[in-house]
Amino acid sequence: GQQVMQIPQYQHVQEGEDFTTYCNSSTTLSNIQWYKQRPGGHPVFLIQLVKSGEVKKQKRLTFQFGEAKKNSSLHITATQTTDVGTYFCAGNSGYSTLTFGKGTMLLVSP
Amino acid sequence: SAVISQKPSRDICQRGTSLTIQCQVDSQVTMMFWYRQQPGQSLTLIATANQGSEATYESGFVIDKFPISRPNLTFSTLTVSNMSPEDSSIYLCSVRPGPIYNEQFFGPGTRLTVL
Repeated sequence: GQQVMQIPQYQHVQEGEDFTTYCNSSTTLSNIQWYKQRPGGHPVFLIQLVKSGEVKKQKRLTFQFGEAKKNSSLHITATQTTDVGTYFCAGNSGYSTLTFGKGTMLLVSP
Repeated sequence: SAVISQKPSRDICQRGTSLTIQCQVDSQVTMMFWYRQQPGQSLTLIATANQGSEATYESGFVIDKFPISRPNLTFSTLTVSNMSPEDSSIYLCSVRPGPIYNEQFFGPGTRLTVL
């Protein structure tokens, strides 16, 4: 079945440093989504990427979808303590169910 | 968007008993899902709750253990049957509101501890 790998598993940065998490699928995806889960909270939808090579920005967050539609990345510029949480990528093929990556836990020290 | 509530928010149960978790959405939604998440882990899909028909279960999950009801487009229940400590987890209801956008919204979760 479809597998979605995500690295790193964990990253600890100083406030102001950049952060990147990478997502790789075993199969070509129709779209990829990113979610953020704060400690003790539930996953919250951030964005969906659909087109090959697509790049989207949300303030300090930049999301990319690979040309082959099998990988994606989330980059945060100048992290803040409010960025703390676990970031999950989730992919699907067609209208099938989402397959979530294992997530990257981000810890930001002030 | 969709606002989802779950009841109970947490529970501590004895081995061998069953717990039913309720999920209520503030609008009619096409697709509804139940996930399980161990602390610090990813989300594992248990099943897709289909309105008016039997749920579609993922590999490793069976109806006898996790019966699901979905009587209408705004409500679903998940029962965790004959519980063991291995069932201790967070159970999350999730919805995909419509056919155009695939984004999913999650409920606050039910934290279950089985002693």
